[in-house]
Amino acid sequence: DAKTTQPPSMDCAEGRAANLPCNHSTISGNEYVYWYRQIHSQGPQYIIHGLKNNETNEMASLIITEDRKSSTLILPHATLRDTAVYYCIASFRDYKLSFGAGTTVTVRA
Amino acid sequence: DAMVIQNPRYQVTQFGKPVTLSCSQTLNHNVMYWYQQKSSQAPKLLFHYYDKDFNNEADTPDNFQSRRPNTSFCFLDIRSPGLGDAAMYLCATSETSGLLDYEQYFGPGTRLTVT
Repeated sequence: DAKTTQPPSMDCAEGRAANLPCNHSTISGNEYVYWYRQIHSQGPQYIIHGLKNNETNEMASLIITEDRKSSTLILPHATLRDTAVYYCIASFRDYKLSFGAGTTVTVRA
Repeated sequence: DAMVIQNPRYQVTQFGKPVTLSCSQTLNHNVMYWYQQKSSQAPKLLFHYYDKDFNNEADTPDNFQSRRPNTSFCFLDIRSPGLGDAAMYLCATSETSGLLDYEQYFGPGTRLTVT
């Protein structure tokens, strides 16, 4: 799996959009970009994934650059409950997820 | 509404005493995984079952074993726990069919303490 690089932490104001960057410059053509998050003392939770096109679901939007070397997860209206560690994972198959250090996102009131 | 259930949530065992952690699912997914997550670290895949096929990660210690007697249940056995095995153990499931892969659903985890 391609290595991903994320900032170790970021703060976000409640009600504002949170934009979480991820670099995956060595991603191969058949590797997907997955995002999971882990709220304290809980198991990780799937957020979204994509290959080439931008994706949106009820939780977030995923913007993947045209060269696929980076992506951004957007939480449109962050709430306090979105405080968590966010993991960006590049993987050929979902069943070989390799979690990196992730980004600790703190949403502040 | 529980989908991936792990019991117990907290387990204390003695150094060297075998321990078994349990996971069950109501999703009827064909893949089940075990991850180890040590304090302040990311989850690390130990192994997974694709139906009945067991797939061990190369760096998973021999001390860790797993059993999947049926679709719904999967067990993690630690034969001789050491202090370094204290961690959160996460079970996850997913449905994988041909070229389509779906997200993993995680249980709440079992926190293992070794005394």
